[in-house]
Amino acid sequence: AQSVTQPDIHITVSEGASLELRCNYSYGATPYLFWYVQSPGQGLQLLLKYFSGDTLVQGIKGFEAEFKRSQSSFNLRKPSVHWSDAAEYFCAVGTDIAGGYQKVTFGTGTKLQVIP
Amino acid sequence: ETGVTQSPTHLIKTRGQQVTLRCSSQSGHNTVSWYQQALGQGPQFIFQYYREEENGRGNFPPRFSGLQFPNYSSELNVNALELDDSALYLCASSLGTLGSPLHFGNGTRLTVT
Repeated sequence: AQSVTQPDIHITVSEGASLELRCNYSYGATPYLFWYVQSPGQGLQLLLKYFSGDTLVQGIKGFEAEFKRSQSSFNLRKPSVHWSDAAEYFCAVGTDIAGGYQKVTFGTGTKLQVIP
Repeated sequence: ETGVTQSPTHLIKTRGQQVTLRCSSQSGHNTVSWYQQALGQGPQFIFQYYREEENGRGNFPPRFSGLQFPNYSSELNVNALELDDSALYLCASSLGTLGSPLHFGNGTRLTVT
């Protein structure tokens, strides 16, 4: 069965510093990978997605993620964090359920705190 | 294009009662997925509907049931509420095919006392 692991429950970075959030997935076939962000009391917003091609994908708000098949990882990065990036970040994998339909499984999330 | 809307935004129920949550999907989307997000946890997949048929279900008991209507809006029903059902319930719409991103509503916060 598919699964997603986000090993860091909570990360604190200084504003302007670089950021990397870790994500590892488990799935036997080609994964469809997503990163979402959730602000308090809100739904989830898509940051970026990967399913083929260039292993470095660009997303909204200056985020990027790199797919590494050998490590089963899809880490999210940002060169310079802004205070408004404080939120919870979820990695997710889309997998095939009967007939070519997709089920999306989420990790447990990483809460990002940004300090001045 | 209109986004995903959920109603109500907040709800308080008593243990043993029944609840219905509603979701309007984004225009053009034919698939609706429901997730339960307990405090401090990631979203857990409840089930998914494609063109009025359930095509996937997570590890939730039968007292969690749903419907999808011809206009692709959806309902989540929970019977015999338990305290552990207290959570944020998220609805997401999509095209349903592999690689299609989910578009989420802001959720319904359910509190069971």
